[in-house]
Amino acid sequence: GAVVSQHPSRVICKSGTSVKIECRSLDFQATTMFWYRQFPKKSLMLMATSNEGSKATYEQGVEKDKFLINHASLTLSTLTVTSAHPEDSSFYICSARDNGQGHEQFFGPGTRLTVL
Amino acid sequence: AQSVAQPEDQVNVAEGNPLTVKCTYSVSGNPYLFWYVQYPNRGLQFLLKYITGDNLVKGSYGFEAEFNKSQTSFHLKKPSALVSDSALYFCALLRRSNDYKLSFGAGTTVTVRA
Repeated sequence: GAVVSQHPSRVICKSGTSVKIECRSLDFQATTMFWYRQFPKKSLMLMATSNEGSKATYEQGVEKDKFLINHASLTLSTLTVTSAHPEDSSFYICSARDNGQGHEQFFGPGTRLTVL
Repeated sequence: AQSVAQPEDQVNVAEGNPLTVKCTYSVSGNPYLFWYVQYPNRGLQFLLKYITGDNLVKGSYGFEAEFNKSQTSFHLKKPSALVSDSALYFCALLRRSNDYKLSFGAGTTVTVRA
């Protein structure tokens, strides 16, 4: 089946620094990738839709200058949390839509961000 | 509005007993419905989906779900639960009219006791 990886799986950083999270589709091409945020024992909240070669589309209430998204190729999207603060600590999950399989999304294993 | 609801925060069953996790949906048109499972500090694993065809869908790890249009439900079931089925389960609806985004239910924590 389609595999999506995320790197790093876990990151701890100091307040005020920026953190980049990578999402890769390993065995398929993904024109569209999605970034989610999940709080403990809660549902996934869609942050933004990442489209290869164009600007990301952010959900209402998500600061695009805070959460920078770049989708430079058909297999890689990155999420950069800029000037991170403790309230940005969360579990970030990406998913990718397989161009060849239409509608289905495949999820990465997630990245645990802790901001001190 | 297109949405899914999981009315139970928690489901507790004994190992070997049937397991049911409830999901209802609200959508105009035909729904695309999914079930995912999440283990602690992990991403989501796909269990099964309903797109069209038979109302009874069989998925991974012995799970199945029944699409019921009249009741707008898509309950997840397993005839005999295992302790290893203890996890967080999400029902999701694909919003085809909105860039194919997924709307997730709130999640149901399943605990299977030995």
